[in-house]
Amino acid sequence: KAGVTQTPRYLIKTRGQQVTLSCSPISGHRSVSWYQQTPGQGLQFLFEYFSETQRNKGNFPGRFSGRQFSNSRSEMNVSTLELGDSALYLCASSLGQWGQPQHFGDGTRLSIL
Amino acid sequence: AQKVTQAQTEISVVEKEDVTLDCVYETRDTTYYLFWYKQPPSGELVFLIRRNSFDEQNEISGRYSWNFQKSTSSFNFTITASQVVDSAVYFCALSGPNAGNNRKLIWGLGTSLAVNP
Repeated sequence: KAGVTQTPRYLIKTRGQQVTLSCSPISGHRSVSWYQQTPGQGLQFLFEYFSETQRNKGNFPGRFSGRQFSNSRSEMNVSTLELGDSALYLCASSLGQWGQPQHFGDGTRLSIL
Repeated sequence: AQKVTQAQTEISVVEKEDVTLDCVYETRDTTYYLFWYKQPPSGELVFLIRRNSFDEQNEISGRYSWNFQKSTSSFNFTITASQVVDSAVYFCALSGPNAGNNRKLIWGLGTSLAVNP
């Protein structure tokens, strides 16, 4: 069974640009969650999508947005990039019921110059 | 508010030593889930174990064991006879009841374990 796939693995952008990250969940998983991981803040929840609807949202500015497609694949978009957005962005999928473990991809490492 | 504290930032041991990673959590909920994940240098978070708040049985899986104590709000993780391949960052996480934003995982800051040969 294929795991969670995130693309690209690495990205370098400059301030003010925008970026789109992609996540393909494990087959059969309908929930996709996104996290930002930085050395200072650790793992922070961005949002969760389930059946193409945002079900939960963390405390991030509106520059961070996402969507989910009918095949459960998800994209995350960050607009007007800031230096502080440099981080490892992790995507996780699960069956969607509360308490189900989330399975993570390798992440996309975003560097802002 | 929910919170997970992993007081040990870094631990260094020699191979074959036993090591315990501490996790203390805070929540007002009576029903919740606790998780442990491992993040090796490659970056992918690997699920290790899930525990429901109503199940206080300890669990052993090979060299890994978990001690869940509601009385002290702790969910500690022990690796017996550690190996170099155990070197990773270990995260403890908490998920509140099945209602709104409480479904999200609250993470500790992680404990970086280095197992030296």
